[in-house]
Amino acid sequence: NAGVMQNPRHLVRRRGQEARLRCSPMKGHSHVYWYRQLPEEGLKFMVYLQKENIIDESGMPKERFSAEFPKEGPSILRIQQVVRGDSAAYFCASSPTGGWSDTQYFGPGTRLTVL
Amino acid sequence: AQKITQTQPGMFVQEKEAVTLDCTYDTSDQSYGLFWYKQPSSGEMIFLIYQGSYDEQNATEGRYSLNFQKARKSANLVISASQLGDSAMYFCAMREYSQGGSEKLVFGKGTKLTVNP
Repeated sequence: NAGVMQNPRHLVRRRGQEARLRCSPMKGHSHVYWYRQLPEEGLKFMVYLQKENIIDESGMPKERFSAEFPKEGPSILRIQQVVRGDSAAYFCASSPTGGWSDTQYFGPGTRLTVL
Repeated sequence: AQKITQTQPGMFVQEKEAVTLDCTYDTSDQSYGLFWYKQPSSGEMIFLIYQGSYDEQNATEGRYSLNFQKARKSANLVISASQLGDSAMYFCAMREYSQGGSEKLVFGKGTKLTVNP
């Protein structure tokens, strides 16, 4: 039983480049969530997706950030024209149905460093 | 207003002793879920324990138990017989629902637990 997979685990980008973070949910899970963790802080919700649908992107910056969860393949969090303030750990979580008793299981995270 | 409050930035405990990590929450929902996660220095987020608002019994998972006091809106994590490997950040989280079918976890700022030999 593979858990939530994220890659890459570490990503270094220069200012202005694009960052693509990938997340494969647990088998049988159709709900994906992205969270961001700044140093010394808790996780902050960014976006909630189901297959081919964005359910809630209220936590995502309006510019430069986008997310998708296609019918086939992993969920992608894309950050265009990265800035130093984007440096953080980005976690993906998945759950089977999104029900109120469902547990969200987290991937190992992607640590993004912007130089 | 803060939805999840963890008032202890850091806690120390001697190996083999029990420790309680505090968490209070704020919600007007009748149905909600509370979670605890562990984040060791390696960085991953590990699910520990879940408590539903309608659960009459306090949740337990091995050495972890959740002291759920609904009237006080508290959901403290109790770790019994602490081990050196328990040294980590611990986050309390609440599932929050909003219109349109959205749901997400809202996290506290965490408590750093250090287990001393």
